[in-house]
Amino acid sequence: AQSVTQLGSHVSVSEGALVLLRCNYSSSVPPYLFWYVQYPNQGLQLLLKYTSAATLVKGINGFEAEFKKSETSFHLTKPSAHMSDAAEYFCAVSDDSGGYQKVTFGTGTKLQVIP
Amino acid sequence: DTAVSQTPKYLVTQMGNDKSIKCEQNLGHDTMYWYKQDSKKFLKIMFSYNNKELIINETVPNRFSPKSPDKAHLNLHINSLELGDSAVYFCASKRGTSGRDEQFFGPGTRLTVL
Repeated sequence: AQSVTQLGSHVSVSEGALVLLRCNYSSSVPPYLFWYVQYPNQGLQLLLKYTSAATLVKGINGFEAEFKKSETSFHLTKPSAHMSDAAEYFCAVSDDSGGYQKVTFGTGTKLQVIP
Repeated sequence: DTAVSQTPKYLVTQMGNDKSIKCEQNLGHDTMYWYKQDSKKFLKIMFSYNNKELIINETVPNRFSPKSPDKAHLNLHINSLELGDSAVYFCASKRGTSGRDEQFFGPGTRLTVL
């Protein structure tokens, strides 16, 4: 069984400030981890993913995430927030434990960027 | 050229009606999904097909029936619509069945049941 917890349903940051969105996962086998972004009235799009290669993963739009097995975390960061980063962010976990795999999504974190 | 497309984008209908949502992907992917996103943005998987075969069928009322005429298309038919069916429905596709493959989402269909 797998699960993912996103701490904080709403996060507000000032433009230019550090963005930190938290994600903790639970998986009985090595996980694959994803961050997706959803802009208003759009579908989700992939920001970045971890697939057991480098633990620090770089994605689009200056975002990155670090896989920490000991902390079962995969937090998303960006050094300097931009107004265009305002969106809903979803962490997701999957694995290859056998059979057809589904992705388990977190409940989402809404990022507000204050000018 | 849109990778995953859905029609219609908006659907407003009365309780008790039957409606369909269509999805097409031009990515050559083998696996397709339907998700329901509620007003709190919670994303719930409903169905998944791999090469036209149903592989995931979550606890969804049997008023919802998916159909995959070929691996590029996955449609969702809903009978006897209820108020609680109001949500945004997303279609998604994925290259294969491995958990490492990311999903590509369509723009969503906002269903409003009056």
